[in-house]
Amino acid sequence: AQSVAQPEDQVNVAEGNPLTVKCTYSVSGNPYLFWYVQYPNRGLQFLLKYITGDNLVKGSYGFEAEFNKSQTSFHLKKPSALVSDSALYFCAAPRRAGANNLFFGTGTRLTVIP
Amino acid sequence: GAVVSQHPSWVICKSGTSVKIECRSLDFQATTMFWYRQFPKQSLMLMATSNEGSKATYEQGVEKDKFLINHASLTLSTLTVTSAHPEDSSFYICSASRRSGSYETQYFGPGTRLLVL
Repeated sequence: AQSVAQPEDQVNVAEGNPLTVKCTYSVSGNPYLFWYVQYPNRGLQFLLKYITGDNLVKGSYGFEAEFNKSQTSFHLKKPSALVSDSALYFCAAPRRAGANNLFFGTGTRLTVIP
Repeated sequence: GAVVSQHPSWVICKSGTSVKIECRSLDFQATTMFWYRQFPKQSLMLMATSNEGSKATYEQGVEKDKFLINHASLTLSTLTVTSAHPEDSSFYICSASRRSGSYETQYFGPGTRLLVL
């Protein structure tokens, strides 16, 4: 089985500062990784995905994620945080290689402080 | 593109009644739809995987007679919580999978909050 882990339950960052939300993965074969964001009382919104190719993946709302094979990480980043970025962020990967159902990390709550 | 809707967004019902939640992919045909349950401040728990025209595949520990899934078309799946009880109160989220080449991406509905009194 494949999985992802989010080591931080909570991340606080000042508005305008760069932000990083961490994710590590355990997969077999080529990784296929996702980031989703959840605003209060809402479903998940797709941010970005890594399939293959460039290690730096650009997504929605100015977010990007860096795939690092040696560290088995797929951290989500943004150069300058906005208060509106405050939300719950989930990293995900297919439950098994080739499967279309996802295993979600436990989520990281990002709070951007004005 | 890739919009998924859920209806209703909120439902309050009495214990013992059944509640139906609809999930629709509005601008694409979904190869597969998924149903999740999310408890407060927790991650998503996959309940079942649903393919059009076939029986849903339930995850371990999910009662299939309690949570009935009907996948009527490539754009519609329904989850019926039968004889709901207060412990069924939760946030239910569906997703629809869209294929692009060799890969699939899941797009999520806005969720349905169920409160059973």
